[in-house]
Amino acid sequence: EIVLTQSPGTLSLSPGERATLSCRASQSVGSSYLGWYQQKPGQAPRLLIFGASSRATGIPDRFSGSGSGTDFTLTISRLEPEDFAVYYCQQYGNSPLTFGGGTKVEIK
Amino acid sequence: QVQLQESGPGLVKPSETLSLTCTVSGYSISSGFYWGWIRQPPGKGLEWIGSVYYSGNNFYNPSLKSRVSISVDTSKNQFSLQLTSVTAAETAVYYCVRTYGSGGYFYFDYWGQGTLVTVSS
Repeated sequence: EIVLTQSPGTLSLSPGERATLSCRASQSVGSSYLGWYQQKPGQAPRLLIFGASSRATGIPDRFSGSGSGTDFTLTISRLEPEDFAVYYCQQYGNSPLTFGGGTKVEIK
Repeated sequence: QVQLQESGPGLVKPSETLSLTCTVSGYSISSGFYWGWIRQPPGKGLEWIGSVYYSGNNFYNPSLKSRVSISVDTSKNQFSLQLTSVTAAETAVYYCVRTYGSGGYFYFDYWGQGTLVTVSS
């Protein structure tokens, strides 16, 4: 099973700042099979990024993904008030499909 | 617009079977895609349970495979989860999802709102 480690656990930032979230896999996820999700309290997760760097439908271009192999990054270029949430990465290159433990982006 | 809605008992006794149904609107299940379930214990992370194609081809999390079954009813545009011999540790919000991909390489592009299932006597 591929273990995904997300860091930091919590990121305290102000609106307008840049957020950089990391997701590291215990082994290569292969061919960029990595997605990112946003979850707000009391809501279901929402797909942001698939294929490591492709934005899902309707996702603003301030969200971008990068990386390959074992190291991946989600960047939010300028935080908007609605971006404060928990973010999860998910690998889908190996069974079982697994998620990281999440990074909480909170208002500083 | 694809929408998914979970339904089923909110309370299940330990050792019994958890059964949930997901009703899909805005898309015909038999048109394609895999359909699946993900759960999230309160305050914790996400765990993929399994995904199934409308024709019956399925992929399950190996850790649950002996106890889980996901089936599709195309006539009702629904799919269902059955998880046997549940324990209190399986108390969680259960989400139904549309699963994008093939051959087990899946991510999840549409989610239901989730339903809390508590396992307790």
